[in-house]
Amino acid sequence: EDQVTQSPEALRLQEGESSSLNCSYTVSGLRGLFWYRQDPGKGPEFLFTLYSAGEEKEKERLKATLTKKESFLHITAPKPEDSATYLCAVGTGTASKLTFGTGTRLQVTL
Amino acid sequence: DVKVTQSSRYLVKRTGEKVFLECVQDMDHENMFWYRQDPGLGLRLIYFSYDVKMKEKGDIPEGYSVSREKKERFSLILESASTNQTSMYLCASSPLAGHEQFFGPGTRLTVL
Repeated sequence: EDQVTQSPEALRLQEGESSSLNCSYTVSGLRGLFWYRQDPGKGPEFLFTLYSAGEEKEKERLKATLTKKESFLHITAPKPEDSATYLCAVGTGTASKLTFGTGTRLQVTL
Repeated sequence: DVKVTQSSRYLVKRTGEKVFLECVQDMDHENMFWYRQDPGLGLRLIYFSYDVKMKEKGDIPEGYSVSREKKERFSLILESASTNQTSMYLCASSPLAGHEQFFGPGTRLTVL
């Protein structure tokens, strides 16, 4: 059974304090690893897709990396507007389904 | 930009009522999905559809059914709502297998 574990569950940073969120996975046949951002009361917003170990993607203050067992979402010099829950998901096999982790709730304070 | 819309942002229903949640996407995507999201449990797949009139059960299909009569529209039906179906319901669509899913804004359903 595919499993996705995110850590930490919650993270509080000061503005400008860089850190990383972790997503570890156990799957058979990874077809893609996806990062989403979710604001309270809203649907998840797509951020990145990573397909193979060693791949990296960047968007503003966020950088996602992928190894064979885990992915990291690095947040450089975060701002309060980066506060959200960050979700990781994996796609496997031939189906279109994604398996989601439970997310990391990030709070960035002034 | 992909747009996925859901018929209601908030819905309050009574136990035993039949409930329809509607989802429409405007990007001609083949795949559509229904999830529910609960604190501590994350997103759980209820049903998905990879073509018109086709559907497959997800991880928690009990108490739900779906309908996809047109490519752009995917409906979730609660045949007889129960209090344990109080949740945030999220619809998503994607173009192909292994590709990113795009989500709607969600419907917060409360069953009293």
